[in-house]
Amino acid sequence: GAVVSQHPSWVICKSGTSVKIECRSLDFQATTMFWYRQFPKQSLMLMATSNEGSKATYEQGVEKDKFLINHASLTLSTLTVTSAHPEDSSFYICSARVSGRDALYEQYFGPGTRLTVT
Amino acid sequence: LAKTTQPISMDSYEGQEVNITCSHNNIATNDYITWYQQFPSQGPRFIIQGYKTKVTNEVASLFIPADRKSSTLSLPRVSLSDTAVYYCLVAPNRDDKIIFGKGTRLHILP
Repeated sequence: GAVVSQHPSWVICKSGTSVKIECRSLDFQATTMFWYRQFPKQSLMLMATSNEGSKATYEQGVEKDKFLINHASLTLSTLTVTSAHPEDSSFYICSARVSGRDALYEQYFGPGTRLTVT
Repeated sequence: LAKTTQPISMDSYEGQEVNITCSHNNIATNDYITWYQQFPSQGPRFIIQGYKTKVTNEVASLFIPADRKSSTLSLPRVSLSDTAVYYCLVAPNRDDKIIFGKGTRLHILP
């Protein structure tokens, strides 16, 4: 099956610093990628939809200036958490949709990145 | 997006068959029922999808009654490794994005 990777798998940063998380589709091209956030014991919350070569579309309530998304190629999207604070500590998960395929089951999820802000 | 209701949590024992029911009274004609599995500290994984009647794959079965207002995910002979959160989604198969509900936390006991 299609594989999505995330890097790093976990990161600890100090309050006020920025951290970048990468999402890669390893064996397929992904025109569209999605970023989710998940707090402990809660469901995944969609943050934004990222389309290759264009600006990301953010869900209501998600600060686009704080969570910068770049989708520069068909296999890579990045999420940068700027000026991170302890309340940004969470599990960040990306998913990638196979280009040209739009069925729900042709969207694959990465393993997630655990961010801890101290 | 049709709202879904599923149990918050369930316990079962190894070797048992587990059935998780999802209610979706407002399902639309073009909606499909899709189930995902999420292990702790991992991303979700697609399990099964169906539109009506019964669908079976190597992992699970999905039973959908004629009125499609509910569906049941059936996991045969569960093991400890089936401990996970299971999400029921009801949406068009070619929807723009996946929105997750609360899910069912399944705990398999030895």
